[in-house]
Amino acid sequence: NAGVTQTPKFQVLKTGQSMTLQCAQDMNHEYMSWYRQDPGMGLRLIHYSVGAGITDQGEVPNGYNVSRSTTEDFPLRLLSAAPSQTSVYFCASSPGRQNSPLHFGNGTRLTVT
Amino acid sequence: LAKTTQPISMDSYEGQEVNITCSHNNIATNDYITWYQQFPSQGPRFIIQGYKTKVTNEVASLFIPADRKSSTLSLPRVSLSDTAVYYCLVGEGKNTGFQKLVFGTGTRLLVSP
Repeated sequence: NAGVTQTPKFQVLKTGQSMTLQCAQDMNHEYMSWYRQDPGMGLRLIHYSVGAGITDQGEVPNGYNVSRSTTEDFPLRLLSAAPSQTSVYFCASSPGRQNSPLHFGNGTRLTVT
Repeated sequence: LAKTTQPISMDSYEGQEVNITCSHNNIATNDYITWYQQFPSQGPRFIIQGYKTKVTNEVASLFIPADRKSSTLSLPRVSLSDTAVYYCLVGEGKNTGFQKLVFGTGTRLLVSP
């Protein structure tokens, strides 16, 4: 029972590079989301999806793209990394029923130099 | 989106009861109140959820007054392992039952021997 799996755990990028943070869940959850957490701060919602083929913006979507081609996967793309995107990124999922708690992955720590 | 306000930090000693209060003045009729716990280098994990009055599970109790404009998470007899950040969330219900959950900065609880 893997739950929510995020890869990689750590990543260092140079400014302007692109990369994709992977998120997969094996619980058949409809809802998935991405958050970023900066030092000493709470989590801020980047993008979310209520099902395959449907995505929407959260609080801080600029600089990030997402897609949801399958129920299981919800990758987060950085097209041109910037130092301001240095953060810890968390993926979460839930069944999508009203008030269903979120299940979180263990995060990806990204550093952009 | 319903905004929440929590104390930034709290200190306690082992064996004491800790009460963390969250203010959510613009909570909507359909919204539930959910609390999460986050340890360093981990994603948040669900603790407890409620709509009104009192909810209790093996970990905590949640007290919600009749006007639902605040809630209090109660941790009985805390131990050192309860040192963590605690987040109070109020969801934005939609017709599909999907919740766009926004985290605040949370309350950093430090439990000392």
